[in-house]
Order: sequence, then C-alpha cells, then structure tokens
Amino acid sequence: DAGVTQSPTHLIKTRGQHVTLRCSPISGHKSVSWYQQVLGQGPQFIFQYYEKEERGRGNFPDRFSARQFPNYSSELNVNALLLGDSALYLCASSLSTSGGPKNIQYFGAGTRLSVL
Amino acid sequence: GENVEQHPSTLSVQEGDSAVIKCTYSDSASNYFPWYKQELGKRPQLIIDIRSNVGEKKDQRIAVTLNKTAKHFSLHITETQPEDSAVYFCAAKPPGTASKLTFGTGTRLQVTL
Repeated sequence: DAGVTQSPTHLIKTRGQHVTLRCSPISGHKSVSWYQQVLGQGPQFIFQYYEKEERGRGNFPDRFSARQFPNYSSELNVNALLLGDSALYLCASSLSTSGGPKNIQYFGAGTRLSVL
Repeated sequence: GENVEQHPSTLSVQEGDSAVIKCTYSDSASNYFPWYKQELGKRPQLIIDIRSNVGEKKDQRIAVTLNKTAKHFSLHITETQPEDSAVYFCAAKPPGTASKLTFGTGTRLQVTL
C-alpha cells in the first residue's frame, strides 16, 4: 500500500508569488492535516480537513488556505509568499478525527518550499 | 491552546546506553500522546503512542510513561543503536474532532559507537 504522497518534493518561489502543494492520503483515510516545519522546530498545525470540510485551523494568516477533494486528496495554497514561508510542508492523513486508533496521523515526506 | 515543551534539545549517548526524552504539556484535557522519529530528510514516523487511560506502554526497546497529574510524559530507549540516531518529537492532542496535534521542539539524539 502506498503511504501519504506529496508533490512536488521541492519548490523554489520568489516573494509575492503563489504556491499550491498537493497531498494524497493513504487509501481509506478520510482526514488530511497540514503542518509547517521550520528548520530546527517541530511541525506547526495549519489545517485539518475531514470529509471535505475544514475541522481545524492553526494560527496562520489568511494567505494560507486549503481544500479537500471528493477523493480525499488535498491542496494547500499560500498566496503572497514571504521569505518566512520557507519551510518543509508536511501532510498527514488519518482514518478519521475521532478518538482512539482512528486518529493516528501518518506523515508524507513533505514539500520543501524555498522563498527567495 | 495546548503548549508542549521538550527536553533536552540534544542528547548524545554511547551505543548500548539508555536515552530518556521528557515532555510537558499544558492542557490537562489532552489524552493522546504520540512520539515521532524523524531521520534527516525523511518523514516523521510514529514510533509509539500512549493514551491517557494508561500510565506506561512498551514496545521492544522503546517505552513511554505518562504522569497525568504532573502533565508530563517521557520516551525511554534502551540498548541504543546507531540507527536510533534521529530527531524525536513528542506531541499532545486534546479530545474532540476539531482538536489539533501540538508538537514539541524536538530532541536530536546521537548514538555514538
């Protein structure tokens, strides 16, 4: 079985540009979460989606948005890129958002975004 | 919101020794505590987790203990091996479908020969 897949693996953008990152969850998983990991820090929660609905949002500006598609894949969009947006963006999937083993999150390898 | 502190930030042990990483959390409602291992350039991988209805969980050389009263939990790795070298993250999650996983800042473990 394929794990969580993310694309692209690396991306270089300039300030002010827009970027779209993509994530495909593990087959059967209906929840996708997005995290930002700055070098030397732990992942910071950005969004969680379940059944195409936003279920949680972290402390990120409105330049960050996301959506989930009927096949449970997801996109993270970032507008008006800033230098500080340079980070590893991780996607994690889980069966659901309920308690117990169904909310165990499995991570993708991430997209490394560099903003110049 | 939840806040997770993790110590130490770096840890160097000799092969065969034990390693202990400690985390504290702020939200007493948190009931799920996973530990992830992240090797350089790779994805975080779940190595063990514990829920608030138990105080200790063990899986071969890895164990996690939870003290709900003190709001801290620890990762114990025994008989360390070079392949244990990585960054380890603890995390905490309150109950509820809209709650998020909050991570610690990570511990870089170096196992030397």
